[in-house]
Amino acid sequence: DGGITQSPKYLFRKEGQNVTLSCEQNLNHDAMYWYRQDPGQGLRLIYYSQIVNDFQKGDIAEGYSVSREKKESFPLTVTSAQKNPTAFYLCASMLRGLNTEAFFGQGTRLTVV
Amino acid sequence: QQQVKQSPQSLIVQKGGISIINCAYENTAFDYFPWYQQFPGKGPALLIAIRPDVSEKKEGRFTISFNKSAKQFSLHIMDSQPGDSATYFCAASKENSGYSTLTFGKGTMLLVSP
Repeated sequence: DGGITQSPKYLFRKEGQNVTLSCEQNLNHDAMYWYRQDPGQGLRLIYYSQIVNDFQKGDIAEGYSVSREKKESFPLTVTSAQKNPTAFYLCASMLRGLNTEAFFGQGTRLTVV
Repeated sequence: QQQVKQSPQSLIVQKGGISIINCAYENTAFDYFPWYQQFPGKGPALLIAIRPDVSEKKEGRFTISFNKSAKQFSLHIMDSQPGDSATYFCAASKENSGYSTLTFGKGTMLLVSP
């Protein structure tokens, strides 16, 4: 089945630790995105990548880092510099082109304990 | 700066009623307006979308109405069902280096009571 796989589904982190969220897609999409979802805040863009080995900051990139070494993979690291990391994180991918559909993974819920 | 404003934040509708969610945008560079539906614990999925050269698009019980001059668009769910209970996000898209870049509203949590 084609789609986007995010892992893990739930993640617990101690304060001061870095954690990495996985996102893999087999849709052959060029563009991949990371969003953060908080109650009442909608989907806010963290980082996006339109091509391998290149990525751009979104609206709330501070405290996060990404890499894009393979077309299929776009991991997100939540660093200790992110002051309020508890949230639902969503990965998405899109084909190159205009007016294309965004396909989302099932999300990772990160909780700082 | 909120580029896409969505209202209401939450909505309760009786089964069989009409659910209406409204969105407004500011940037005239937006050229595509999709709606996404999200069930609890899941990722959003595309529900229906409209281009600004048409004023209405209907797919089954779901209709988008678009008013280009007012920079507003809305989602109407006819004959609302309990299975429609979900969070709905409007979005606006514009071109960025050959790709679409989406800006989302803050979402509307819809509850359809049996």
